[in-house]
Amino acid sequence: DGGITQSPKYLFRKEGQNVTLSCEQNLNHDAMYWYRQDPGQGLRLIYYSQIVNDFQKGDIAEGYSVSREKKESFPLTVTSAQKNPTAFYLCASSNRDRGLDAQHFGDGTRLSIL
Amino acid sequence: GESVGLHLPTLSVQEGDNSIINCAYSNSASDYFIWYKQESGKGPQFIIDIRSNMDKRQGQRVTVLLNKTVKHLSLQIAATQPGDSAVYFCAVAGTDSWGKLQFGAGTQVVVTP
Repeated sequence: DGGITQSPKYLFRKEGQNVTLSCEQNLNHDAMYWYRQDPGQGLRLIYYSQIVNDFQKGDIAEGYSVSREKKESFPLTVTSAQKNPTAFYLCASSNRDRGLDAQHFGDGTRLSIL
Repeated sequence: GESVGLHLPTLSVQEGDNSIINCAYSNSASDYFIWYKQESGKGPQFIIDIRSNMDKRQGQRVTVLLNKTVKHLSLQIAATQPGDSAVYFCAVAGTDSWGKLQFGAGTQVVVTP
């Protein structure tokens, strides 16, 4: 079945450490997105990529970095510069052929600080 | 920018009754609207969408209504079931923000027997 796979499901970070969250999709979607979700809040956009080798900052990009070397993959690195990284991270993708289109989500990675 | 809000943080509904979840948006240029359902520990699941050239769209047990005059969106769930218990988000995008969705904070729907 086609879908979006995020790994790991749970991740722990030590102080001063960078961690990378994986996102893979086999939906053949051009666009991919990373969101952060804090308890009781909506989703906030971190980074998005409309096409391979291109990405743009979202609303809360500070302390995060991404790469888009392959269409299927859009990993997110949470750097030590992100002082409050504890959150639920969601990856999504969408089909740009229809212009505005629904984003489809993975089941998230929950990041906590040790 | 876009400001998206929901009218109630929690909606308690009896099994078998209809549910109505509301969402207000601020940008009159908004062109595309989506409702998502999120169960605990999972990612949001697409329910239904509607574009600004429509004011009503129906799916299986769900109906989305769009009132562009007052910038209001609602999701109606018919014959609510226990499996409908979740957080429901509206998401809004405009033609000037390709692919970027602005999400509301969510409404927790609790279905009681």
